[in-house]
Amino acid sequence: DVVMTQSPLSLPVTLGQPASISCRSSQSLVYSDGNTYLNWFQQRPGQSPRRLIYKVSDRDSGVPDRFSGSGSGTDFTLKISRVEAEDVGVYYCMQNTHWPYTFGQGTKLEIK
Amino acid sequence: QVQLVESGGGLVKPGGSLRLSCAASGFTFSDYCMSWIRQAPGKGLEWVSYICYTASSVYSTDSVKGRFTLSRDNAKNSLYLQMNGLRADDTAVYYCARGAPPYSSLVGDYWGQGTLVTVSS
Repeated sequence: DVVMTQSPLSLPVTLGQPASISCRSSQSLVYSDGNTYLNWFQQRPGQSPRRLIYKVSDRDSGVPDRFSGSGSGTDFTLKISRVEAEDVGVYYCMQNTHWPYTFGQGTKLEIK
Repeated sequence: QVQLVESGGGLVKPGGSLRLSCAASGFTFSDYCMSWIRQAPGKGLEWVSYICYTASSVYSTDSVKGRFTLSRDNAKNSLYLQMNGLRADDTAVYYCARGAPPYSSLVGDYWGQGTLVTVSS
C-alpha cells in the first residue's frame, strides 16, 4: 500500500499568518493517464471531510483562493496564505492513483 | 443538490453483522462509482471499499476482504455495505462518498454525514 506521510501533525498558527502542510508518498502518484491524483481534505470539528484540492492543485468549487496545492511525484504541499478562524480542523492528504486509496495521518490546525 | 444519507449503524456484538445503506440524490447515481470510508473514534480516515458500474468493479481494503460486501441498487439510488464477522477494530463512523464519474478518476467530492458502528460486547 502507498504510505502517505504528513508533517507537521500539529500546526498552531496565528490568525492572518500563512500555514503549510507537507505530504509525502512512498511511491510516485503519477497515474498511467499522466495525471497525479493527490487530494487534500479538510475536516472541521464535528463535520464530515470536505475535499479542497484535487489533482495536486485544482481547487474545488467554493474553496477560498487562500488555499493552494502544489507538488509532483512524491512530494506535495498544501498552503493557506492567511489563516482564518474557520480554517481550524484536521487536514488530510489522500492519493487515489493506487488501490487501496490511502490517507495521510492528518494535520491538526489550531489557532495560537 | 447532491445528498448522501447513511443509515444502519448501531451497536453490535463481536462476530455480529450489520448492513449499512447510503441513499443518494441530486445526481445520476448509476453514472458514478461510490465508496465507503471509515474513521475510528479520534483517528484518521481509511478508505474501505469502492464500487463502480458492475459487480466485477469492486475493490476492498485487505482488512475487510471476506467479511464486508459492497453492493449497489441503481434503481433505488442506493449503496450498501454488508458487514459480517465484525470486530472491535471495525468500530468507526462510516461515511458514504461519491466516487468517480465516467472518464474521470476524481473521487470524494461529496460525503454523507456518517453513521456510527460500535462493535462491543
